[in-house]
Amino acid sequence: QKEVEQDPGPLSVPEGAIVSLNCTYSNSAFQYFMWYRQYSRKGPELLMYTYSSGNKEDGRFTAQVDKSSKYISLFIRDSQPSDSATYLCAMSAIVGFQKLVFGTGTRLLVSP
Amino acid sequence: DSGVTQTPKHLITATGQRVTLRCSPRSGDLSVYWYQQSLDQGLQFLIQYYNGEERAKGNILERFSAQQFPDLHSELNLSSLELGDSALYFCASSPGDFSYEQYFGPGTRLTVT
Repeated sequence: QKEVEQDPGPLSVPEGAIVSLNCTYSNSAFQYFMWYRQYSRKGPELLMYTYSSGNKEDGRFTAQVDKSSKYISLFIRDSQPSDSATYLCAMSAIVGFQKLVFGTGTRLLVSP
Repeated sequence: DSGVTQTPKHLITATGQRVTLRCSPRSGDLSVYWYQQSLDQGLQFLIQYYNGEERAKGNILERFSAQQFPDLHSELNLSSLELGDSALYFCASSPGDFSYEQYFGPGTRLTVT
C-alpha cells in the first residue's frame, strides 16, 4: 500500500464548477501538506501549503486537512479552462528533513 | 518560469550506458532536490543536497549518484541504465535546508532503449 493515495482521474468538469480533489494517507507522522499543480510537459509548481489540521484559503483555492481521518482536500471555486492540469498532493513528516512524499496526481479537465 | 534550469531537455540512450543530468538552482537557493517521475510510481524523491552536502536520501538506486558543486549547480549521474529508468527527472531548489516551498525545473526526459 502506498503512503499517499490519490485518484488519477481524469476528472472532467464544466467551466465555473466547484472542483474537489482529495488524497488519503497512512503515515500519521505527516504534518506538512502541500498541493502542486503540474501542466503538461512542465515541472510541478506549489499552489498551497498547510501545516497540521485546518483550512487555508488563497483566492479560488481552499486547502483542507483532516488529520483524524488522514484526508486532505483541495477545492477550486469557479474553475477555469486554465485550471486544466494534474494536481499532486505532497506531504512531509519532519521539520528539516525535506523528503516530500507525493501522490500520483489527479488529472483535471475543465471544459469551456 | 521557476528560475531552475535543467539540461538536457531530452536524452535517448541505450541500456547499460551512463548519463549525466545537470541542474542549476534559482539564484540564491542553497538546496537542490532530485526527483524521478514515472507513470506508475508518480513523483519519487531521490536525494537532497544543501550547500554541497548530502542532506537526505530517498529511493535512490545504487547505480545513481549525485553531487552539488561549489557554484551550487548539481549533477545526477545514472549508470548501467535499464529500460525501467526511462522517466522524467526533475530538479527542484529552495532557499534553505528546510523549506516546504520547492521550485521545480522543467525536467529532463530520459528514454532508455
